[in-house]
Amino acid sequence: SYVLTQPPSVSVAPGQTARITCGGNNIGSKSVHWYQQKSGQAPVLVVYDDSDRPSGIPERFSGSNSGNTATLTISRVEAGDEADYYCQVWDRSSDHWVFGGGTKVTVL
Amino acid sequence: EVQLVESGGGLVQPGGSLRLSCAASGFTFSNYWMHWVRQVPGKGLVWVSRINYDGSSTRYADSVKGRFTISRDNANNTLYLQMNSLSAEDTAVYYCARDLPSDGSFDFWGQGTLVTVSS
Repeated sequence: SYVLTQPPSVSVAPGQTARITCGGNNIGSKSVHWYQQKSGQAPVLVVYDDSDRPSGIPERFSGSNSGNTATLTISRVEAGDEADYYCQVWDRSSDHWVFGGGTKVTVL
Repeated sequence: EVQLVESGGGLVQPGGSLRLSCAASGFTFSNYWMHWVRQVPGKGLVWVSRINYDGSSTRYADSVKGRFTISRDNANNTLYLQMNSLSAEDTAVYYCARDLPSDGSFDFWGQGTLVTVSS
């Protein structure tokens, strides 16, 4: 089955840029989606199709995908961005949906 | 406003059964695939199951295949998950989620319902 690998944690100072990676075999050939989950809340879609943002998501959230790594970038990080972030793809070969293990973003 | 409201969670003994429901509103339910995703408290998200528009096609994670059944009632805008032969490993918060057409992402999620399997 397809595996997505994320770093367990990322720390960033307010106003700086956080980059969260999601590794997978030839992930650049898949559409990658990203979710934000704050403590005690349901996940929220923040980026879909590698780099598109749903309505209401700030432009500070952006995504890219190439080769074996997809990246979620959070610019001008705010305290309210502190959360767990998950990448996700649909694996065509198994017709299953797959999540990465999640990355906890801490704002220093 | 899109709303997904799960119910039916609770405490169940190992080997027991439980049926979860997800009431949908604010959109044309029958136009969307739907999913169940679970999360052990303090752990990551795990996809469980998917159902297509009219219920004619379903998919399951290997960990639940043969024990769980996803279904839907489009007339009443409700998604279900029948869970049988439950074990402690099934203890989790269960979320229903709407599938954003054509790209495989989940654009709206319910608030989740907690299932605890324990004697």
